[in-house]
Amino acid sequence: GDSVTQMEGPVTLSEEAFLTINCTYTATGYPSLFWYVQYPGEGLQLLLKATKADDKGSNKGFEATYRKETTSFHLEKGSVQVSDSAVYFCALSRLYYGQNFVFGPGTRLSVLP
Amino acid sequence: EAGVTQFPSHSVIEKGQTVTLRCDPISGHDNLYWYRRVMGKEIKFLLHFVKESKQDESGMPNNRFLAERTGGTYSTLKVQPAELEDSGVYFCASRKGGPGATQYFGPGTRLTVL
Repeated sequence: GDSVTQMEGPVTLSEEAFLTINCTYTATGYPSLFWYVQYPGEGLQLLLKATKADDKGSNKGFEATYRKETTSFHLEKGSVQVSDSAVYFCALSRLYYGQNFVFGPGTRLSVLP
Repeated sequence: EAGVTQFPSHSVIEKGQTVTLRCDPISGHDNLYWYRRVMGKEIKFLLHFVKESKQDESGMPNNRFLAERTGGTYSTLKVQPAELEDSGVYFCASRKGGPGATQYFGPGTRLTVL
């Protein structure tokens, strides 16, 4: 079945550092890929998504590119802020089959001033 | 527009007791999903409603879990009797119909079974 693997956390960075959170998936066909973020005390929020190979999703300075050849969807940001401290979840879903998500385990990011 | 709301935010019960979690989706969203995150592991799909019908309940772990969505509005998830391994965070999400529509998540209910 479908699965998502992402790098174990926690990840601790200084403000303005470069961020990469690795995500790889196992799935047949062409799922859509997502990054969700959960800030403290809040629900999951969609950060960005990509629906086909080579698509790049971007939002709030974060980017991720759908790489079919490496089955990856790594999240990057050039300069993190303290406000980016949160748990980040990589996920996949299939547009025409109920669209329920398969999530990775989440990566906790702490950004220090 | 109000987001997805869940009640309670936190519930602590003893093994063998019953707990009912509630989810109110965004108004007009026909699709409602339940997920849970156990022991800090990945968030797992439990089931999917379209209006009041169960579209997919393949993720329900066993028959101690019962989900309902009478009238196609809010949904409840009952755990009876609760076991220690049911502890975790239960998330609800909703979306409008049609492929590609965004799922909006609630803040979750943290369930602790002692």
